[in-house]
Amino acid sequence: QVQLVESGGGVVQPGGSLRLSCAASGFTFSTFGMHWVRQAPGKGLEWVAFIRYDGSHKYYADSVKGRLTISRDNSKNTLYLQMNRLRGEDTAVYYCAKAPNIGYYFDYWGQGILVTVSS
Amino acid sequence: EIVLTQSPGTLSLSPGERATLPCRASQSVSSSYLAWYQQKPGQAPRLLIYGASSRATGIPDRFSGSGSGTDFTLTISRVEPEDCAVYYCQLYVSSTWTFGQGTKVEIK
Repeated sequence: QVQLVESGGGVVQPGGSLRLSCAASGFTFSTFGMHWVRQAPGKGLEWVAFIRYDGSHKYYADSVKGRLTISRDNSKNTLYLQMNRLRGEDTAVYYCAKAPNIGYYFDYWGQGILVTVSS
Repeated sequence: EIVLTQSPGTLSLSPGERATLPCRASQSVSSSYLAWYQQKPGQAPRLLIYGASSRATGIPDRFSGSGSGTDFTLTISRVEPEDCAVYYCQLYVSSTWTFGQGTKVEIK
């Protein structure tokens, strides 16, 4: 069965950096696009970034462009989110989510990891 | 930028009642790109419906989706206590994925 397990969250000061990882199993990781989606405490869902199955195309929400970078290592079945110049409004639970073979939705989600930006 | 509006913010229903959750887009969109998710407290979201009306694997048939153009609906034919959750619609347009703000379903 599909499993997505996020790690790397924690508390970081404003302006700091953090790298999230998402370990994938139960499917052929190298053939599917992947996303990061976040949810601020008590708020709704916000899409963050998408990476194509081969890493050739990446798309970002305007709110994170130039600060957050999505990447993947298909040899390790792992998705990453490098987070730089973090702000208080980046505080959220970050979910990795799998894209389907055809379609523009999120068919499987990880359990999420909390990132808190605070001094 | 296309905005998805989900109103009301909260629906309070008794078990067995029908739940109708609307999602309105600020301009006409392709129904192929509209999906619905359920998020229970403390859990990750779960895909319910994709392509506006196709049920995801393992989703009970009391959940159904419909709509086109700017108006889409998630219907729960007979609400059960386990359906207590927040429901989000989601749209894809031009390399951007957007969520509505969610509708909370409470069970009386």
